Amino acid sequence: QQPVQSPQAVILREGEDAVINCSSSKALYSVHWYRQKHGEAPVFLMILLKGGEQKGHEKISASFNEKKQQSSLYLTASQLSYSGTYFCGTEVGDYKLSFGAGTTVTVRA
Amino acid sequence: DSGVTQTPKHLITATGQRVTLRCSPRSGDLSVYWYQQSLDQGLQFLIQYYNGEERAKGNILERFSAQQFPDLHSELNLSSLELGDSALYFCASSAGTEVPYEQYFGPGTRLTVT
Repeated sequence: QQPVQSPQAVILREGEDAVINCSSSKALYSVHWYRQKHGEAPVFLMILLKGGEQKGHEKISASFNEKKQQSSLYLTASQLSYSGTYFCGTEVGDYKLSFGAGTTVTVRA
Repeated sequence: DSGVTQTPKHLITATGQRVTLRCSPRSGDLSVYWYQQSLDQGLQFLIQYYNGEERAKGNILERFSAQQFPDLHSELNLSSLELGDSALYFCASSAGTEVPYEQYFGPGTRLTVT
């Protein structure tokens, strides 16, 4: 079952912050975050294992609330290069990654 | 450049036909994954191979099959093609499977069935 991402789309000005949420109805083993720019392949951002750890990648960080089966991706001080579609992928320990529908982020100057 | 290569980049074929998509993983990666991305279904996991053996199966149709060869490259075979099979097919690779590893995606093969 696909995780649910919100919001579907967000428009930001450079320097603004945003949060993308990902929730699942299943007990998760790991959450993966990818970014895909138009016409390109998804690019790995980070992976979070159960345990509630928070990770960071440049000014992009994420958290994983194991009890709520939710993960959030934080875009801080957004840059034009952050534009793209962000996908969360969830995995329940069966090696199968289920991706959400994606959140389209547009960063404007 | 992720280091994963896929061929061909584009493929146009007719309904009922059979095609083969090829993927070479990053050097040293033992796992290969296949995904289908379409506008209505999003990014869907199809199948995973680890060191030549099938490891996990997702929503892969019976008309589709895959294999991973001793040199670790993989092929995805799609047969009796239908219009709805038109999509972007991605291959990804990772170092292993015992711990969730990041996956590196290839550039994809865009399949158009007419």
